[in-house]
Amino acid sequence: DAGVIQSPRHEVTEMGQEVTLRCKPISGHNSLFWYRQTMMRGLELLIYFNNNVPIDDSGMPEDRFSAKMPNASFSTLKIQPSEPRDSAVYFCASSPQGNYGYTFGSGTRLTVV
Amino acid sequence: GENVEQHPSTLSVQEGDSAVIKCTYSDSASNYFPWYKQELGKRPQLIIDIRSNVGEKKDQRIAVTLNKTAKHFSLHITETQPEDSAVYFCAASNSGTYKYIFGTGTRLKVLA
Repeated sequence: DAGVIQSPRHEVTEMGQEVTLRCKPISGHNSLFWYRQTMMRGLELLIYFNNNVPIDDSGMPEDRFSAKMPNASFSTLKIQPSEPRDSAVYFCASSPQGNYGYTFGSGTRLTVV
Repeated sequence: GENVEQHPSTLSVQEGDSAVIKCTYSDSASNYFPWYKQELGKRPQLIIDIRSNVGEKKDQRIAVTLNKTAKHFSLHITETQPEDSAVYFCAASNSGTYKYIFGTGTRLKVLA
């Protein structure tokens, strides 16, 4: 298994541009999570899906952030328009149904200038 | 709201000594407690976990203890080695939501 696959690994964009981060969970995993990691705030849960349905998006910072999971093998996190304070590492993670350990992807390091 | 506190934020130990990291959680419904290790520039990786029906779990040099009454759990690393140097995160979750609440992390440095 290739694990959780995220793309791109690095993204540098100008303030105001749209950014789309992508994630492919492990096959058979029913839950998918998007986290943001910064030095100041640590690991923050943004949103999670169970069986492709968004369950809790209370961590999404504002309306500029949106996430979709159109099928069991793909999810996107979009920021529009991006701002410098959105600079962070964004991790996607997946887990099997039930309370089991997450497997994290390699993350996307986003820099907004 | 749900919260997980983790201490200390940084920890330096001599190679061969033991390291202990402690976490407390607020949600009494939490029943699953994983620990993650994150090396610089890499993803967090699960190193050990414990469920609420047991009080202790060991895996070679790593052990985790859980006190549900006091709502705290700890990671113990014995015979530390330089490759144990990393940031360690605790988390708490309940089977109703499956989402983790992470602690703020402990940067462990093992001095050779």
